[in-house]
Amino acid sequence: KAGVTQTPRYLIKTRGQQVTLSCSPISGHRSVSWYQQTPGQGLQFLFEYFSETQRNKGNFPGRFSGRQFSNSRSEMNVSTLELGDSALYLCASSGVTGGTDTQYFGPGTRLTVL
Amino acid sequence: AQSVTQLDSQVPVFEEAPVELRCNYSSSVSVYLFWYVQYPNQGLQLLLKYLSGSTLVKGINGFEAEFNKSQTSFHLRKPSVHISDTAEYFCAVSEAGTASKLTFGTGTRLQVTL
Repeated sequence: KAGVTQTPRYLIKTRGQQVTLSCSPISGHRSVSWYQQTPGQGLQFLFEYFSETQRNKGNFPGRFSGRQFSNSRSEMNVSTLELGDSALYLCASSGVTGGTDTQYFGPGTRLTVL
Repeated sequence: AQSVTQLDSQVPVFEEAPVELRCNYSSSVSVYLFWYVQYPNQGLQLLLKYLSGSTLVKGINGFEAEFNKSQTSFHLRKPSVHISDTAEYFCAVSEAGTASKLTFGTGTRLQVTL
């Protein structure tokens, strides 16, 4: 089975711009979660989508949004980028594997905001 | 809400020595517990998980962890480490019943030297 894929792997933007990141989950997985990883704040949960609906949301401003398509692929959008948005954005898909719910992570998208 | 504390930010150890990475959690509800490993410039790889049942959990690469409910701990151990185990290790918790919204600890850097 193919793993979780994220595109692009690296991205450089300037303050004020917006960015869209993409995540394709493991085949058969219907849940996609997004996390932000920074040296200062560590790994923080952004949101989770399940069957095209946002099921959980972390404590991030409204500039961070997402969506999920009918094929379970998910996109995350950040508008009006700030320097502090520079981070590794990780996507994880989960589904019942071997009878238990398990979350698998993609390689991440490294976003640099200049 | 849940929280995770990883007591050691860095753990230096010689190759072939045993190691224990400590993790304590706090939660008012039943939880699932996970250990992930992150190699440089990569995403997170699941090492092992505790969902229910036996409190001693065995994972990949020779790692194991023991769930201690009374001490709210989930320490990770390996009897003999290898240079290739050098990486960042994250303990994570989720509310029991779902693994799609994880709360992570701040990570422990395991540095294995000859």
